[in-house]
Amino acid sequence: EPEVTQTPSHQVTQMGQEVILRCVPISNHLYFYWYRQILGQKVEFLVSFYNNEISEKSEIFDDQFSVERPDGSNFTLKIRSTKLEDSAMYFCASSGLAGGTDTQYFGPGTRLTVL
Amino acid sequence: RKEVEQDPGPFNVPEGATVAFNCTYSNSASQSFFWYRQDCRKEPKLLMSVYSSGNEDGRFTAQLNRASQYISLLIRDSKLSDSATYLCVVNPLGTTDSWGKLQFGAGTQVVVTP
Repeated sequence: EPEVTQTPSHQVTQMGQEVILRCVPISNHLYFYWYRQILGQKVEFLVSFYNNEISEKSEIFDDQFSVERPDGSNFTLKIRSTKLEDSAMYFCASSGLAGGTDTQYFGPGTRLTVL
Repeated sequence: RKEVEQDPGPFNVPEGATVAFNCTYSNSASQSFFWYRQDCRKEPKLLMSVYSSGNEDGRFTAQLNRASQYISLLIRDSKLSDSATYLCVVNPLGTTDSWGKLQFGAGTQVVVTP
Protein backbone atom coordinates (compact mmCIF):
# COMPACT_ATOMS: atom_id res chain seq x y z
CA GLU A 1 0.00 0.00 0.00
CA PRO A 2 1.46 3.39 -0.96
CA GLU A 3 2.35 5.62 1.95
CA VAL A 4 3.73 9.01 2.78
CA THR A 5 7.23 8.88 4.25
CA GLN A 6 9.02 11.52 6.30
CA THR A 7 12.61 12.04 7.40
CA PRO A 8 14.05 12.40 9.91
CA SER A 9 11.76 10.83 12.48
CA HIS A 10 13.27 13.03 15.18
CA GLN A 11 15.25 16.27 14.80
CA VAL A 12 16.87 18.10 17.67
CA THR A 13 18.16 21.60 17.01
CA GLN A 14 19.30 24.71 18.80
CA MET A 15 17.13 27.79 18.86
CA GLY A 16 17.90 30.04 15.89
CA GLN A 17 19.09 27.21 13.65
CA GLU A 18 17.53 26.31 10.33
CA VAL A 19 15.86 22.95 9.87
CA ILE A 20 14.54 21.18 6.82
CA LEU A 21 11.92 18.50 7.22
CA ARG A 22 11.50 16.12 4.31
CA CYS A 23 8.52 14.26 2.97
CA VAL A 24 7.93 11.92 0.07
CA PRO A 25 4.21 12.05 -0.77
CA ILE A 26 2.33 9.19 -2.38
CA SER A 27 3.64 9.04 -5.93
CA ASN A 28 0.53 9.90 -7.97
CA HIS A 29 -0.75 12.54 -5.58
CA LEU A 30 -0.86 16.16 -6.62
CA TYR A 31 -1.77 18.02 -3.41
CA PHE A 32 0.57 18.31 -0.47
CA TYR A 33 0.16 19.63 3.03
CA TRP A 34 2.03 20.27 6.24
CA TYR A 35 0.38 20.13 9.63
CA ARG A 36 1.84 20.35 13.10
CA GLN A 37 0.81 19.06 16.48
CA ILE A 38 2.24 20.53 19.66
CA LEU A 39 2.38 17.90 22.40
CA GLY A 40 -1.03 17.54 24.02
CA GLN A 41 -2.75 19.80 21.51
CA LYS A 42 -4.75 19.33 18.34
CA VAL A 43 -3.39 18.94 14.84
CA GLU A 44 -3.11 22.32 13.11
CA PHE A 45 -2.95 23.13 9.41
CA LEU A 46 0.15 24.96 8.21
CA VAL A 47 0.13 25.05 4.43
CA SER A 48 -1.21 23.43 1.29
CA PHE A 49 0.73 23.19 -1.98
CA TYR A 50 -0.30 22.42 -5.53
CA ASN A 51 1.27 22.89 -8.93
CA ASN A 52 4.48 24.19 -7.38
CA GLU A 53 2.92 26.95 -5.40
CA ILE A 54 1.27 27.54 -2.07
CA SER A 55 -2.51 27.29 -2.27
CA GLU A 56 -3.28 28.32 1.27
CA LYS A 57 -1.42 28.96 4.49
CA SER A 58 -2.38 29.51 8.08
CA GLU A 59 -1.39 32.30 10.45
CA ILE A 60 1.22 29.98 11.91
CA PHE A 61 3.01 29.80 8.56
CA ASP A 62 4.88 33.09 8.82
CA ASP A 63 8.00 34.31 7.03
CA GLN A 64 10.15 31.86 8.96
CA PHE A 65 8.50 28.97 7.13
CA SER A 66 8.83 27.94 3.51
CA VAL A 67 7.96 24.92 1.43
CA GLU A 68 9.47 23.53 -1.69
CA ARG A 69 9.13 20.65 -4.08
CA PRO A 70 12.75 20.47 -5.26
CA ASP A 71 12.23 17.45 -7.50
CA GLY A 72 9.49 15.11 -8.59
CA SER A 73 9.29 13.24 -5.33
CA ASN A 74 10.31 15.31 -2.31
CA PHE A 75 8.32 17.97 -0.51
CA THR A 76 10.16 19.96 2.14
CA LEU A 77 9.32 22.30 4.99
CA LYS A 78 12.04 24.73 6.03
CA ILE A 79 12.05 26.70 9.25
CA ARG A 80 14.66 29.43 8.90
CA SER A 81 15.32 30.36 12.50
CA THR A 82 13.74 27.97 14.93
CA LYS A 83 12.08 29.10 18.13
CA LEU A 84 11.35 27.10 21.26
CA GLU A 85 7.64 27.20 20.39
CA ASP A 86 8.33 25.44 17.08
CA SER A 87 8.85 22.22 19.03
CA ALA A 88 6.11 19.93 17.78
CA MET A 89 5.31 16.92 15.63
CA TYR A 90 5.21 17.92 11.97
CA PHE A 91 3.06 15.82 9.67
CA CYS A 92 3.18 15.83 5.92
CA ALA A 93 0.05 14.74 4.03
CA SER A 94 -0.91 14.25 0.43
CA SER A 95 -4.08 13.72 -1.55
CA GLY A 96 -4.85 12.79 -5.12
CA LEU A 97 -7.50 15.41 -5.58
CA ALA A 98 -8.23 18.72 -3.90
CA GLY A 99 -8.31 18.02 -0.18
CA GLY A 100 -12.04 18.31 0.16
CA THR A 101 -12.77 15.70 -2.44
CA ASP A 102 -10.18 13.15 -1.58
CA THR A 103 -8.69 11.71 1.52
CA GLN A 104 -5.51 13.18 2.92
CA TYR A 105 -2.99 10.54 3.92
CA PHE A 106 -0.51 11.42 6.62
CA GLY A 107 3.11 10.51 7.01
CA PRO A 108 4.51 9.23 10.32
CA GLY A 109 5.72 12.68 11.30
CA THR A 110 8.96 14.34 12.31
CA ARG A 111 9.31 15.21 15.97
CA LEU A 112 11.13 18.55 16.14
CA THR A 113 12.71 19.51 19.44
CA VAL A 114 14.13 23.03 19.72
CA LEU A 115 16.50 23.57 22.64
CA ARG B 1 -16.57 29.06 19.43
CA LYS B 2 -13.99 26.45 18.42
CA GLU B 3 -14.12 25.24 14.82
CA VAL B 4 -14.41 21.59 15.87
CA GLU B 5 -15.22 20.57 19.43
CA GLN B 6 -15.02 17.15 20.99
CA ASP B 7 -15.44 15.68 24.45
CA PRO B 8 -11.86 14.79 25.38
CA GLY B 9 -12.92 11.75 27.45
CA PRO B 10 -11.48 9.38 28.39
CA PHE B 11 -14.28 6.97 27.66
CA ASN B 12 -13.46 3.79 29.54
CA VAL B 13 -15.17 0.93 27.76
CA PRO B 14 -15.26 -2.74 28.69
CA GLU B 15 -14.22 -5.05 25.91
CA GLY B 16 -17.24 -6.04 23.85
CA ALA B 17 -19.29 -2.99 24.83
CA THR B 18 -20.56 -0.19 22.63
CA VAL B 19 -19.31 3.38 22.87
CA ALA B 20 -20.51 6.48 21.09
CA PHE B 21 -19.38 10.06 21.06
CA ASN B 22 -19.99 13.23 19.09
CA CYS B 23 -18.31 16.29 17.84
CA THR B 24 -19.72 19.64 16.80
CA TYR B 25 -18.46 21.99 14.12
CA SER B 26 -18.99 25.70 13.74
CA ASN B 27 -18.98 26.32 9.99
CA SER B 28 -22.39 25.39 8.63
CA ALA B 29 -21.10 25.46 5.04
CA SER B 30 -18.57 22.68 5.67
CA GLN B 31 -18.70 19.96 3.07
CA SER B 32 -16.57 17.02 4.10
CA PHE B 33 -16.29 15.19 7.38
CA PHE B 34 -14.03 12.44 8.61
CA TRP B 35 -13.09 10.40 11.63
CA TYR B 36 -9.37 9.73 12.00
CA ARG B 37 -7.80 7.71 14.76
CA GLN B 38 -4.51 8.62 16.35
CA ASP B 39 -2.42 6.34 18.49
CA CYS B 40 -0.04 7.87 20.99
CA ARG B 41 2.62 9.94 19.21
CA LYS B 42 1.64 8.55 15.81
CA GLU B 43 0.12 10.08 12.74
CA PRO B 44 -3.64 10.47 12.21
CA LYS B 45 -5.02 7.59 10.20
CA LEU B 46 -8.31 7.75 8.36
CA LEU B 47 -10.96 5.65 10.01
CA MET B 48 -13.86 6.64 7.81
CA SER B 49 -15.43 9.45 5.87
CA VAL B 50 -18.84 10.62 7.07
CA TYR B 51 -21.70 10.97 4.64
CA SER B 52 -25.02 12.73 5.04
CA SER B 53 -26.94 9.49 4.94
CA GLY B 54 -24.77 7.92 7.61
CA ASN B 55 -22.39 5.09 6.91
CA GLU B 56 -21.08 1.95 8.47
CA ASP B 57 -17.75 0.19 8.20
CA GLY B 58 -17.72 -3.04 10.11
CA ARG B 59 -18.12 -2.22 13.79
CA PHE B 60 -17.98 1.52 13.19
CA THR B 61 -20.96 3.69 12.36
CA ALA B 62 -20.76 7.40 11.59
CA GLN B 63 -23.62 9.85 11.39
CA LEU B 64 -23.82 13.44 10.25
CA ASN B 65 -26.48 15.88 11.40
CA ARG B 66 -26.13 19.00 9.31
CA ALA B 67 -29.02 20.82 10.96
CA SER B 68 -27.41 20.54 14.38
CA GLN B 69 -23.85 20.58 13.04
CA TYR B 70 -22.66 17.46 14.76
CA ILE B 71 -21.00 14.23 13.76
CA SER B 72 -21.12 11.02 15.73
CA LEU B 73 -19.11 7.83 15.87
CA LEU B 74 -20.32 4.58 17.34
CA ILE B 75 -18.08 1.61 17.98
CA ARG B 76 -19.76 -1.74 18.56
CA ASP B 77 -18.18 -4.81 20.14
CA SER B 78 -15.14 -2.82 21.27
CA LYS B 79 -11.75 -4.48 20.97
CA LEU B 80 -8.64 -3.73 23.01
CA SER B 81 -7.07 -2.50 19.76
CA ASP B 82 -9.74 0.20 19.50
CA SER B 83 -8.00 2.08 22.32
CA ALA B 84 -6.88 5.31 20.70
CA THR B 85 -7.76 8.97 20.32
CA TYR B 86 -10.49 9.57 17.77
CA LEU B 87 -10.19 12.80 15.86
CA CYS B 88 -13.17 14.53 14.35
CA VAL B 89 -12.03 16.27 11.18
CA VAL B 90 -13.89 18.78 9.05
CA ASN B 91 -12.95 20.19 5.68
CA PRO B 92 -14.83 23.44 5.13
CA LEU B 93 -14.19 23.22 1.40
CA GLY B 94 -16.67 25.31 -0.44
CA THR B 95 -16.47 28.14 2.03
CA THR B 96 -14.11 31.06 1.92
CA ASP B 97 -12.14 29.44 4.67
CA SER B 98 -10.55 26.52 2.99
CA TRP B 99 -8.76 24.83 0.20
CA GLY B 100 -8.09 21.37 1.53
CA LYS B 101 -7.38 22.75 4.99
CA LEU B 102 -8.50 20.11 7.43
CA GLN B 103 -9.78 21.34 10.79
CA PHE B 104 -9.15 18.90 13.59
CA GLY B 105 -10.87 18.49 16.89
CA ALA B 106 -8.69 17.90 19.92
CA GLY B 107 -9.75 14.25 19.99
CA THR B 108 -11.76 11.89 22.16
CA GLN B 109 -9.74 9.32 24.03
CA VAL B 110 -11.17 5.81 24.18
CA VAL B 111 -9.71 3.20 26.51
CA VAL B 112 -11.00 -0.34 26.07
CA THR B 113 -10.39 -2.50 29.13
CA PRO B 114 -10.33 -6.29 29.39
